[in-house]
Amino acid sequence: AQRVTQPEKLLSVFKGAPVELKCNYSYSGSPELFWYVQYSRQRLQLLLRHISRESIKGFTADLNKGETSFHLKKPFAQEEDSAMYYCALLSGGSNYKLTFGKGTLLTVNP
Amino acid sequence: SQTIHQWPATLVQPVGSPLSLECTVEGTSNPNLYWYRQAAGRGLQLLFYSVGIGQISSEVPQNLSASRPQDRQFILSSKKLLLSDSGFYLCAWSPPMGENIQYFGAGTRLSVL
Repeated sequence: AQRVTQPEKLLSVFKGAPVELKCNYSYSGSPELFWYVQYSRQRLQLLLRHISRESIKGFTADLNKGETSFHLKKPFAQEEDSAMYYCALLSGGSNYKLTFGKGTLLTVNP
Repeated sequence: SQTIHQWPATLVQPVGSPLSLECTVEGTSNPNLYWYRQAAGRGLQLLFYSVGIGQISSEVPQNLSASRPQDRQFILSSKKLLLSDSGFYLCAWSPPMGENIQYFGAGTRLSVL
């Protein structure tokens, strides 16, 4: 069965510092991975996905199949990045079901 | 453009009472529809998903049920609520084909007392 692990419930950094939110997955097939974000008083929304290979709001994430990881990184954190971040896995046998991690609450301090 | 509506935003219900949460999607046809429960420290748990009218798949055994009476309507129900049903419920949709991106509603905060 697929599983997504986000080891950090809370992560606190200062503005301008680099930030890395960790995500590891367990899946025997070919995964499709996503990062979703929920800002305060806003809806959960897609931040980025690995197949797009794009940078959104300065964030990037690289799929490392050897380490089964999909860590989210940003070189210089901003206060507006403070939010709850969820890593999610779409299993290859279905285009319906996402398995979410438990989330990491990022706080960027001034 | 597509929009997703969920209501009510908050709900307080006594134990043993029935439940009906509604979700509708506009601006798309034959969407995949989902109900999640979001709990602090536990992430998002998929409860039900549907790929078409009358087609419901349940992910976890529970006191809840789901129905899809129309193409763009998804309802979460219970005949008798339990205290453990309290939580934040999210509805989501995704396109039937193509991009595997899910779009979420604003959620319903359910408190069972």
